[in-house]
Amino acid sequence: QSALTQPRSVSGSPGQSVTISCTGTSSDVGGHYYVSWYQQHPGKAPKLMIYDVSERPSGVPDRFSGSKSGSTASLTISGLQAEDEADYYCCSYAGSYTWVFGGGTKLTVL
Amino acid sequence: QLQLQESGPGLVKPSETLSLTCAVSGGSISSRDYYWGWIRQAPGKGLEWIGSVDYSGSTYYNPSLKSRVTISVGTSKKQFSLKLSSVTAADTAVYYCARYSDTSEDAFDIWGQGTMVTVSS
Repeated sequence: QSALTQPRSVSGSPGQSVTISCTGTSSDVGGHYYVSWYQQHPGKAPKLMIYDVSERPSGVPDRFSGSKSGSTASLTISGLQAEDEADYYCCSYAGSYTWVFGGGTKLTVL
Repeated sequence: QLQLQESGPGLVKPSETLSLTCAVSGGSISSRDYYWGWIRQAPGKGLEWIGSVDYSGSTYYNPSLKSRVTISVGTSKKQFSLKLSSVTAADTAVYYCARYSDTSEDAFDIWGQGTMVTVSS
């Protein structure tokens, strides 16, 4: 069970859009629709932003969207705001009641 | 609203067993709809799923940690615990407990605030 692959960092200016990728295998991302995304601010617990690839929990702005193609899932944040600056982690069900996280991506709002 | 709170020693000696408890308030572990998990984050590193337990006490572990991990549900169904044996400095991390919703959100939807555990002599 290897960690999912995410870019170490991405950046964008306020108002712009950024996309964070999450690459796995046919055993995890490619084989299941249970991909979720979490936002983590420094010193805080992760917060669920996207579940089931593209669904948003109540209270999460519609600026956050998710998608998946094959074994790569993506999180897109449109209309970037300063408060979006954080670390983002993807997570996928990996079968047999196991889960795997990505290595995390640091989003910088310029 | 359900809340989770981790507790346990902040310092553990190498080769000893790390023991943490997650208290569940505003609900219980009795529902079939959830898994209750432990996730850790080493300093400056990413999240790592350690393992989960369901309402019946069935457990599921990360293959890389399976030989050292035990997760169990308390008799009151208001807490669950993590034991990690033979710890080394590599086990130094913030440990989070979290609820995985298996019916509505299929994700770790509620997290504790995390507790820092340092492995050092």
